[in-house]
Amino acid sequence: DIVMTQSPDSLAVSLGERATINCKSSQSVLYSSSNKNYLAWYQQKPGQPPKLLIYWASTRESGVPDRFSGSGSETDFTLTISSLQAEDVAVYYCQQYYYIPRTFGQGTKVEIK
Amino acid sequence: EVQLVQSGAEVKKPGESLKISCQGSGYSFTNYWLGWVRQMPGKGLEWMTIIYPDNSDTRYNPSFQGQVTISADKSISTAYLQWNNLKASDTAMYYCARQARNGLFDYWGQGTLITVSS
Repeated sequence: DIVMTQSPDSLAVSLGERATINCKSSQSVLYSSSNKNYLAWYQQKPGQPPKLLIYWASTRESGVPDRFSGSGSETDFTLTISSLQAEDVAVYYCQQYYYIPRTFGQGTKVEIK
Repeated sequence: EVQLVQSGAEVKKPGESLKISCQGSGYSFTNYWLGWVRQMPGKGLEWMTIIYPDNSDTRYNPSFQGQVTISADKSISTAYLQWNNLKASDTAMYYCARQARNGLFDYWGQGTLITVSS
């Protein structure tokens, strides 16, 4: 199975400041024919199901605020929240959808400092 | 509007059987894979299994193969996840989710909490 490793496990950021979450996959999730990275980011708020934020490593899902951005390729990816808002408190997961079984990172908890 | 509505919370004893459901609406149910994700208390997300309702083709995470069974009834746009011998370690929230054409989960159900305790 592809192992997805996120860092850090948690971080506390002041309102309006930048939050950065890293995700590393044990194998490349770049499909060379399409030049697309099969990497998604989800947000899960307490008591709610996960919500898709970003796919193809950097494409925002419809309705997702532009303060959320994704970057990276092959095995190393980053989710950035450019200006943290109170409603962004959540756990964030990366997921590869190149291989079966799909696998998630262990999650990164984002809190307000 | 795409919706996935899951069955309600369950409390079961070890060794019992259980089948939970997920009904899809607002899209062509037979033309999208639908899967299940486990979230144990205070833990992360685990991809379990998916099914293509049109022909009941399935894929399993080896970690869950033989432990659960996924099925679907396309006549009522409903997918199921079944256990034949529940264990305390099956206590978790279970989410169903629609797999988009690119392979990720784009819509999620509200979750079904299963508690297994003697």
